[in-house]
Amino acid sequence: NAGVTQTPKFRILKIGQSMTLQCTQDMNHNYMYWYRQDPGMGLKLIYYSVGAGITDKGEVPNGYNVSRSTTEDFPLRLELAAPSQTSVYFCASSYDGTYSYNEQFFGPGTRLTVL
Amino acid sequence: AQTVTQSQPEMSVQEAETVTLSCTYDTSENNYYLFWYKQPPSRQMILVIRQEAYKQQNATENRFSVNFQKAAKSFSLKISDSQLGDTAMYFCAFITNNNDMRFGAGTRLTVKP
Repeated sequence: NAGVTQTPKFRILKIGQSMTLQCTQDMNHNYMYWYRQDPGMGLKLIYYSVGAGITDKGEVPNGYNVSRSTTEDFPLRLELAAPSQTSVYFCASSYDGTYSYNEQFFGPGTRLTVL
Repeated sequence: AQTVTQSQPEMSVQEAETVTLSCTYDTSENNYYLFWYKQPPSRQMILVIRQEAYKQQNATENRFSVNFQKAAKSFSLKISDSQLGDTAMYFCAFITNNNDMRFGAGTRLTVKP
């Protein structure tokens, strides 16, 4: 199993540009998550999904959109990039998320810089 | 508000010694799960240990153990026989039934030879 994969690894955007961060997992996990990690900080939840077709906001959803059309994929969309979105983005998945002991498996991260 | 506080931004320890990383949290929920994650320079997030809030017994995983004090909302991590490969950022986190995992700001641990 490849686990959780993310593309691209690095990206530089200009202010106002848009892009999609890709995330795929091959563990048949129901739950998927997007986090951002700002320098010197912990991770903050952007959006999560409990299954195909179902998404919900996390702690910091503004400026982002997500979709979940399949169990495997959970792309994160930035419509109008702003310098405040410069961060490292992590995708994660778990078998079950609600009230759960289950481990979240993380991807390797995407480092995004908005200039 | 659900928050996690790690009061030690940086710590260092000699190889083979023991070190304890502190974590306090705040939640109004009674049932939740607590975790320590390790993030080495590769950036990969790796689960170190986890604890169910309803269990009084402290979790242990080889050289890693926790001191869970539910009333004090404290969840410290003890690393015994520290190894050079333990050098990393360590994040304390918890999740409640709203699926919102909250992380602390992290403690940078350096193991010195």
